Amino acid sequence: NAGVTQTPKFRVLKTGQSMTLLCAQDMNHEYMYWYRQDPGMGLRLIHYSVGEGTTAKGEVPDGYNVSRLKKQNFLLGLESAAPSQTSVYFCASSLRGGPISYEQYFGPGTRLTVT
Amino acid sequence: SQKIEQNSEALNIQEGKTATLTCNYTNYSPAYLQWYRQDPGRGPVFLLLIRENEKEKRKERLKVTFDTTLKQSLFHITASQPADSATYLCALDKGFSGGYNKLIFGAGTRLAVHP
Repeated sequence: NAGVTQTPKFRVLKTGQSMTLLCAQDMNHEYMYWYRQDPGMGLRLIHYSVGEGTTAKGEVPDGYNVSRLKKQNFLLGLESAAPSQTSVYFCASSLRGGPISYEQYFGPGTRLTVT
Repeated sequence: SQKIEQNSEALNIQEGKTATLTCNYTNYSPAYLQWYRQDPGRGPVFLLLIRENEKEKRKERLKVTFDTTLKQSLFHITASQPADSATYLCALDKGFSGGYNKLIFGAGTRLAVHP
């Protein structure tokens, strides 16, 4: 099992450019998440999905869009990149959600710099 | 608003000693608390989960305590090794609401174990 994979690992964008980050998981997990991690701050949830074809906003969704057309894939899009979106982006998945807490499995991250 | 505090300063200890990391939280009473390990340039990896009605949880050299009165969790690594050097994140599970389990992450504490 590869677990959670992310592409690309690094990317540099100019302000106003667009890009898509790809996340894939091979664990048949229902839930998937996109986080950003900035220095001195905890991981912050951007968007999440509770199943194929569903997405919802997290804590910091502005400037991002997502899609989950297939259960194993979760895409994060930046339509018009801004320097404030310079960050490390992590995708994660969990078996499901519910009254009990489920561990999340994280990908290796994408380091994005917007100049 | 909910707040999670982890010691922002690095914890430096000698090999063989017990490392103790602290996670304090305010304005919330989580039902679960999770701990993750993050190595430089990599995604977080799940370590342990503890429920509010569990005082203590162990896994090999790791021990987590959860004191809901003090609003604090302690994470212990006994007989620490240089390979334990990493950043450790705590995360509160706010519960299943809005269709998912919202995890609030602390910024993490960096542990350095010296030979």
